[in-house]
Amino acid sequence: KAGVTQTPRYLIKTRGQQVTLSCSPISGHRSVSWYQQTPGQGLQFLFEYFSETQRNKGNFPGRFSGRQFSNSRSEMNVSTLELGDSALYLCASSPVLFANTEAFFGQGTRLTVV
Amino acid sequence: DQQVKQNSPSLSVQEGRISILNCDYTNSMFDYFLWYKKYPAEGPTFLISISSIKDKNEDGRFTVFLNKSAKHLSLHIVPSQPGDSAVYFCAASGWETSGSRLTFGEGTQLTVNP
Repeated sequence: KAGVTQTPRYLIKTRGQQVTLSCSPISGHRSVSWYQQTPGQGLQFLFEYFSETQRNKGNFPGRFSGRQFSNSRSEMNVSTLELGDSALYLCASSPVLFANTEAFFGQGTRLTVV
Repeated sequence: DQQVKQNSPSLSVQEGRISILNCDYTNSMFDYFLWYKKYPAEGPTFLISISSIKDKNEDGRFTVFLNKSAKHLSLHIVPSQPGDSAVYFCAASGWETSGSRLTFGEGTQLTVNP
């Protein structure tokens, strides 16, 4: 069974640009969450999607947005990039939404904003 | 406000000895706790979890203890092996308040010396 796949693995963007990251969850998983990891910080929750609907949102500005497609694949978009957006962006998938269960993470996309 | 805290940024132990990683939380609505291990350039990998109705869960060399009154959990690794060297994150969820969203601590870098 394939794991969570994130593309691209690495990105370098310039301040002010926008970027789109992609996540394909484990087959059969319908919940996709996004997290941001910066040096010295734990993983900060961005948002969660289930059945193409955003179900939960973290404390990030509106420049961060996402969506989920009917095949459960998800994309995350960051507009008007700032230097502080440089981070590892991780996607996690779970079989269901409201369940205390482990989430399975992808390898992440390393975004560098210069 | 940091609802899940790992106060030790790093821990160093000798191979074969016990590693104890600690985690404190403040939100009494959390009812499910997890530990993840993360190697550089990889996504976090699920290790072990515990529900708030239990005070101990064991899986091979890994045991998680939960002390609800103290809002404290710990991960014991016995015996420690050099391959256990990684960053360990504790995470918590409470679906009544946040769905399946995970709140992570800052992580503890474990180094197991041969």
